[in-house]
Amino acid sequence: AQSVAQPEDQVNVAEGNPLTVKCTYSVSGNPYLFWYVQYPNRGLQFLLKYITGDNLVKGSYGFEAEFNKSQTSFHLKKPSALVSDSALYFCAVTPLPPPHGSSNTGKLIFGQGTTLQVKP
Amino acid sequence: DAGVTQSPTHLIKTRGQHVTLRCSPISGHKSVSWYQQVLGQGPQFIFQYYEKEERGRGNFPDRFSARQFPNYSSELNVNALLLGDSALYLCASRVAPPGSLNREAFFGQGTRLTVV
Repeated sequence: AQSVAQPEDQVNVAEGNPLTVKCTYSVSGNPYLFWYVQYPNRGLQFLLKYITGDNLVKGSYGFEAEFNKSQTSFHLKKPSALVSDSALYFCAVTPLPPPHGSSNTGKLIFGQGTTLQVKP
Repeated sequence: DAGVTQSPTHLIKTRGQHVTLRCSPISGHKSVSWYQQVLGQGPQFIFQYYEKEERGRGNFPDRFSARQFPNYSSELNVNALLLGDSALYLCASRVAPPGSLNREAFFGQGTRLTVV
């Protein structure tokens, strides 16, 4: 079954320190990978994506993510955390369609989310 | 430019009732998807529509249905509401058709449905 795992329910980090939010995936083939952030009572905001090419992807608000094919991981990182980064972060994957057969809907498969708490 | 807009923002319904949720995609986006986010979990895919046709359906019962209109707005309908249907319902739009998977989805703020 295709799935995304975020092994940490919560990550705590001090402001100014680097942060990492972990994500691993289990899908067939080479998926497209995404990170979204959700603030309280809000929808999801797109942060960054990996499609192909350089394994280090840069996104919004100083975030970046590193794709590791051998470890099937796509960890979110930021060199220096801000209190305003505190939110709920979701990793998501869009599986690529098989070479032949049914079309792909482009649906996103999400992890369960990781709450990032940045303390002053 | 306006983002994805959803209405209403909050809704309280009684078990057994019916509910209709509405979504307007970003201008120029023809693909609309619906997701259910139960508290403490990640969003779960319900439907995708493109050019007014259903292009994908998640593992949800037939009580859930949707449609897309000529202006690309969409409605999600849920019949015979259960307590377990209480969730944040998110609508997402993409500029690309379902076959172009490398374009990100843009989400609305969601409709918070509470079933009592």
